[in-house]
This record gives sequence, C-alpha cells and structure tokens, in this order.
Amino acid sequence: AQSVSQHNHHVILSEAASLELGCNYSYGGTVNLFWYVQYPGQHLQLLLKYFSGDPLVKGIKGFEAEFIKSKFSFNLRKPSVQWSDTAEYFCAVIPAFSGGGADGLTFGKGTHLIIQP
Amino acid sequence: DAGITQSPRYKITETGRQVTLMCHQTWSHSYMFWYRQDLGHGLRLIYYSAAADITDKGEVPDGYVVSRSKTENFPLTLESATRSQTSVYFCASSENVNGYTFGSGTRLTVV
Repeated sequence: AQSVSQHNHHVILSEAASLELGCNYSYGGTVNLFWYVQYPGQHLQLLLKYFSGDPLVKGIKGFEAEFIKSKFSFNLRKPSVQWSDTAEYFCAVIPAFSGGGADGLTFGKGTHLIIQP
Repeated sequence: DAGITQSPRYKITETGRQVTLMCHQTWSHSYMFWYRQDLGHGLRLIYYSAAADITDKGEVPDGYVVSRSKTENFPLTLESATRSQTSVYFCASSENVNGYTFGSGTRLTVV
C-alpha cells in the first residue's frame, strides 16, 4: 500500500516569504499526485495535480509543485506568500492504474501554514 | 461546488446513539468515499464505494456502516457512537483517478 509523508507539520512565515512544503511518497509503481488546500472552516480544494509529462506543474493561486521521481517527492512551492494563504495543505497520492480511484486517495498528515502579516 | 452535499454540517450526539451522516452528489460519479479528519492524522479513509451496492472498507472502518442503494447517495452510519468518533467527516466523489471533489464536511461531536 502507498503512504505519504509531509515533513513539516507547522510552518510560520511572513508575507512575501518564499514557501516550500515537502512531500514524499512510498509506492512501487506509477502514481498520480495531488496537493489540496483547506482554508479555515472549509472543505478541501484541489491546488494542483501531476499525472505525467512536465514534472513542474502549476496550480491555482500561484502555487507550483515539482515531481522528482528519483526522490519520490512532490514538493509544493510558492515564490511569495500572502496572508490569505494561511491554511492546511495536504499532499495525496493514488496509484495511477487503480481503476478509477477505487482505493481512495492516501493523504499525508497535513501542514498547517500560518502567514503573518 | 454545489455538486456534493453533506448533511448535517454540525451534529452533537451522545455516546451509544446511532448517527447517520448524509452525502449526496449530483454528478453520477461512480466512486464515493468517506474520510475522517483528525488533528495529527490528516484524512483517513473509512469506507469507499465503486458503484451502487458495492462498498469496501478503508483504513479505519470499525464502528461505521455504509450503504449505497443509489449512485448519488452514500450515507455513513455510526451504529453506537463513541467519543473517539468525534471528528470532521468528509465525503468525496470521483469518476476516475484524476481527482476527487469533497463536500463541505460534517463536524460531529460525541459527548
């Protein structure tokens, strides 16, 4: 079975700082990778996803992530964070050939990001 | 997105009571899922369903029951609620591995 590890449980940054959140996964085959964001009191929203092709993917709100296959990593980045980026961020993985997602996404434990004005 | 609706949004119940959380989606997605979200654990899969009348256990199924008589509905029942089931519950649906859409969640407190 697959697993996901997020290295930083809590991150505090000042506005305009650069952000990088780490995500590593464990799985022997091809995976699809996702980053979700959960703003306070809200449901999860998809930030970006990687299936194949260019390992640098761009998502909404200026976020991007880079898939490094050799490191089993899918780190999330943003050059300059804003106060409104305060949220919980989840990395998730699913085997690419799981037949429609029947096994469900496997999530990391999340990173709580606080941006100080 | 109004396509996946969870009810109720908030629920307080007593230990030992039966509670049912509702999930309804309007896209006719084949796959539906129930997750619980707890501090320090992230989201953990409780049950999932690949189609009507097909359900299977996820990572943390104990104490929960699901059914899926219609494609659009996927209720989650706590047969005898315990304090350890205090959590935020999210329903999700998907048609393929391209990604899931989540409901707004139900915050359940068991006292």
